[in-house]
Amino acid sequence: SQQGEEDPQALSIQEGENATMNCSYKTSINNLQWYRQNSGRGLVHLILIRSNEREKHSGRLRVTLDTSKKSSSLLITASRAADTASYFCATYFAGGTSYGKLTFGQGTILTVHP
Amino acid sequence: NAGVTQTPKFQVLKTGQSMTLQCAQDMNHEYMSWYRQDPGMGLRLIHYSVGAGITDQGEVPNGYNVSRSTTEDFPLRLLSAAPSQTSVYFCASSETHGSWQYFGPGTRLTVT
Repeated sequence: SQQGEEDPQALSIQEGENATMNCSYKTSINNLQWYRQNSGRGLVHLILIRSNEREKHSGRLRVTLDTSKKSSSLLITASRAADTASYFCATYFAGGTSYGKLTFGQGTILTVHP
Repeated sequence: NAGVTQTPKFQVLKTGQSMTLQCAQDMNHEYMSWYRQDPGMGLRLIHYSVGAGITDQGEVPNGYNVSRSTTEDFPLRLLSAAPSQTSVYFCASSETHGSWQYFGPGTRLTVT
């Protein structure tokens, strides 16, 4: 079963606007990761945020994590046509086992119109 | 560094045939994994390995076998292909089992 649920499933915006994607999950996590996938390509990691962190930045990307609400958001500021891609959140949880697993959500398809 | 490489890029199989999808990484990562990606389903974990000689099942392991004899290679074997295994397969690696993953370019498999 999918751990992460992303919202919205699809987002269409104009260049220069901000894009916000949300991810909710059901169980405890050790970290949460965001990835981008361009059409027909493999996934590329964007940001990893640990369970004891609340916010991280990388260039035009800002990720927040609220463990009390079991949710995360990815904000892309001043979007560009090149940001058009699918964006996935993935939750990592080791729990009581020796080795954890990374579980992906279904993704948000972002389209940025020039 | 080549990163994570996968072969072949495309493959068509008939039902019942077997094949091996190859995956290799040159980053000396201990953790490697296989995912399948289906429309509307996101990525689902098939098998993973935390080091040479150590593998474990993921979410959808049935119909697939893996082994890890070296740090670099993590092949995925389809024992008897079924149309339900038509999918895009991604291999990934990471330094440890909790760190971010580096993905290969994928193998698009069609089973007729």
